Amino acid sequence: DAGVTQSPTHLIKTRGQHVTLRCSPISGHKSVSWYQQVLGQGPQFIFQYYEKEERGRGNFPDRFSARQFPNYSSELNVNALLLGDSALYLCASSLGRVGGEKLFFGSGTQLSVL
Amino acid sequence: RKEVEQDPGPFNVPEGATVAFNCTYSNSASQSFFWYRQDCRKEPKLLMSVYSSGNEDGRFTAQLNRASQYISLLIRDSKLSDSATYLCVVINTGTASKLTFGTGTRLQVTL
Repeated sequence: DAGVTQSPTHLIKTRGQHVTLRCSPISGHKSVSWYQQVLGQGPQFIFQYYEKEERGRGNFPDRFSARQFPNYSSELNVNALLLGDSALYLCASSLGRVGGEKLFFGSGTQLSVL
Repeated sequence: RKEVEQDPGPFNVPEGATVAFNCTYSNSASQSFFWYRQDCRKEPKLLMSVYSSGNEDGRFTAQLNRASQYISLLIRDSKLSDSATYLCVVINTGTASKLTFGTGTRLQVTL
């Protein structure tokens, strides 16, 4: 069975550009969450989507947006990239709205902003 | 004060040693607690949940102390393969969709 898949695995952008990251949850999972992990830190919550609606938002600027599609896959968009946006972006899926112990992470997208 | 705090380490221990990590959390209303393991450049993976009564899974034991607002992870008979970063995770009441991670504690087990 396929786990959570993310694309691309690596990405290099320059300041001011825009980026779209993609995530496909485990089949049957309806919840997708996005996390940002800066080197040396734990993952920070960005968004959660459940049944195609935003259910939670972390402390990130409006440059960050996301959406969930009818097939439960998700996109994370970041506009006007800053150097500080360089990080590993993790997507996690779960069956229900509450993640917790049933949260499964993808291997992430490593974003470098130059 | 950070919501979830951990000693970043690194903890360098010989194979076979017992090592313990603590994690403190600031929100007394926190409701669920977990330990995740993250290998270098990989995604976090659930290691175990943490219950007030304590729970054990093989060489790993997790404890929760609500009065002092900390959780612990004990690893007995350390293996080389235990080398990783251990992330403390908390879910707070009212934000059930959000996991709050600590910065992680790095463990290096050596021969």
